[in-house]
Amino acid sequence: DIVMTQSPLSLSVTPGEPASISCRSSQSLLQTNEYNYLDWYLQKPGQSPQLLIYLGSHRASGVPDRFSGSGSGTDFTLKISRVEAEDVGVYYCMQAQQTRTFGQGTKVEIK
Amino acid sequence: QVHLVQSGAEVKKPGASVKVSCKASGFTFTDFSIHWLRLAPGQGLEWLGRIPPYTGGTKYAEKFEGRITMTRDTSISTAYMELTSLRSDDTAVYYCARTNFRDYRGIDLWGQGTLLTVSS
Repeated sequence: DIVMTQSPLSLSVTPGEPASISCRSSQSLLQTNEYNYLDWYLQKPGQSPQLLIYLGSHRASGVPDRFSGSGSGTDFTLKISRVEAEDVGVYYCMQAQQTRTFGQGTKVEIK
Repeated sequence: QVHLVQSGAEVKKPGASVKVSCKASGFTFTDFSIHWLRLAPGQGLEWLGRIPPYTGGTKYAEKFEGRITMTRDTSISTAYMELTSLRSDDTAVYYCARTNFRDYRGIDLWGQGTLLTVSS
């Protein structure tokens, strides 16, 4: 299985400040179609997970443009340009290259 | 509106089996694969497997091979996940979710979750 490693595992952010989460995979997620099979999900407290970013950098429908995904191959980053109170929760990266595996999750809280 | 609506919470004893349902509405069921995932207490998200639009090609995570079965009834737009030989560490919230079968755009719709408690 592809191992996904996130960092940091927790993050405390002041509203309005930026935040960044890193995700590394044990194998390249770049396929011959030039897409990286890496998604980002957010699970807010008491809710089902929701899709933020798919194929490395494509923002899902309805996701605010303060969220962006970047990276290729084995190294990826989720950035929040200005954190808002509603962004609290656990963020996961997930590889869709093979049988899906998730990173450990990054818990984001507001200072 | 598009929805995946799951069956209600379950309490089972160790060694028993559970079958969770997931009913789709608001979209063409046969355009999507259905995935099953879970979130155990204190753990992260875990993928259990997926079933494509038509029977055949079902893929399970290796750790669940032999005790998980995913099926779907396209006539009623419902998917099912059965887990056998339950253990206490199967206690978790189980989610069904979908991906577009032909055009990958992430897991873009999730059910509300079904809490399974395994306890003697």
